[in-house]
Amino acid sequence: DGGITQSPKYLFRKEGQNVTLSCEQNLNHDAMYWYRQDPGQGLRLIYYSQIVNDFQKGDIAEGYSVSREKKESFPLTVTSAQKNPTAFYLCASTPGTTYEQYFGPGTRLTVT
Amino acid sequence: QKEVEQNSGPLSVPEGAIASLNCTYSDRGSQSFFWYRQYSGKSPELIMFIYSNGDKEDGRFTAQLNKASQYVSLLIRDSQPSDSATYLCAVNSYDKVIFGPGTSLSVIP
Repeated sequence: DGGITQSPKYLFRKEGQNVTLSCEQNLNHDAMYWYRQDPGQGLRLIYYSQIVNDFQKGDIAEGYSVSREKKESFPLTVTSAQKNPTAFYLCASTPGTTYEQYFGPGTRLTVT
Repeated sequence: QKEVEQNSGPLSVPEGAIASLNCTYSDRGSQSFFWYRQYSGKSPELIMFIYSNGDKEDGRFTAQLNKASQYVSLLIRDSQPSDSATYLCAVNSYDKVIFGPGTSLSVIP
């Protein structure tokens, strides 16, 4: 089955620790995206990548970092510099020729 | 800052009625328009996309686009309790997709 996987589903960390969220897709999609969603809010774009070894900042990139070394993988690191990291993190991908985004199941991060 | 706005909810409709969800956008250059459904605690699911002015129907869902007025809407006919969710409008802006804040829909049995 083709799809997008995110792991883990729930993640708990202490304040001051960096944490990396995994996103893998086997849809052969070119573009991948990371969003953050806070309770009762819409999706805010963190980073996106349209091709391997290239990525761009979204609207709220501060305190986050990404890499795109393989087409299938787009991991997101939440650094200790992110002031309010507790949120629901969503990874999405698109074929690259259209903007139809398909989402993974999400990772719920709690930092205490 | 390009924006996408949606009618404020929550929206409550009785089972079997038509639910109407509206969305406006600010980027006149937008060409692709999407509706996502998001159940509580889950990730968004693409349910409709529309690229041309007019109506597009898919089962009980109809998307309507008016580029001159910069609005896109979603009609859900014969609403079912299983349609109760948050509906997100999304619009492309250059090489990104901008999401609206969502409208919560509740279908009352």
